[in-house]
Amino acid sequence: GAVVSQHPSRVICKSGTSVKIECRSLDFQATTMFWYRQFPKQSLMLMATSNEGSKATYEQGVEKDKFLINHASLTLSTLTVTSAHPEDSSFYICSARDRQRTGGYTFGSGTRLTVV
Amino acid sequence: GQQLNQSPQSMFIQEGEDVSMNCTSSSIFNTWLWYKQDPGEGPVLLIALYKAGELTSNGRLTAQFGITRKDSFLNISASIPSDVGIYFCAGQGYGGSQGNLIFGKGTKLSVKP
Repeated sequence: GAVVSQHPSRVICKSGTSVKIECRSLDFQATTMFWYRQFPKQSLMLMATSNEGSKATYEQGVEKDKFLINHASLTLSTLTVTSAHPEDSSFYICSARDRQRTGGYTFGSGTRLTVV
Repeated sequence: GQQLNQSPQSMFIQEGEDVSMNCTSSSIFNTWLWYKQDPGEGPVLLIALYKAGELTSNGRLTAQFGITRKDSFLNISASIPSDVGIYFCAGQGYGGSQGNLIFGKGTKLSVKP
């Protein structure tokens, strides 16, 4: 089945630094990938839609300069949290859809970001 | 915007019992999906539904796409301890930004051996 690999699974960074999270579709091409944020005991909130070869589409309230998204190839999207602050600590999850297969979106295993 | 109401928020059941959870929407969806999420992991797809009235099973799991296209339920029969986790429904609208997934708030399932 469709596999999405997300890396790193956990990262701790100092306040003010930037962190890059990678999302790869391993066995299919994904023209569109999605980035979610999940706070403890809450549901997934869509942050942005990553489009291969073009700018990402951000949801209302998500700062595009804060959360930089790059979708440089059909199998890789990256999310960079710039100048991270403790309030950016969260669980970030990416997903992608293999349009060649029936079925829903496949999610990565998530990245636990802790900003200290 | 579109919203999903998922209930119940949490369930505490005995091993072997059946479980039922559901989602309702204020608007129509063309796809309903049910996911399970374990702690520290991403959601894993359990069942995908594409047609109104569709009833689909995956082992002990059964889900249905409501006739009105505004609701869906998930049943788990004969629960076992490994069923513990958070279950999310997700709906997808029609095209454009409405083609993105919208998630329910989740149902946390606890199973007592």
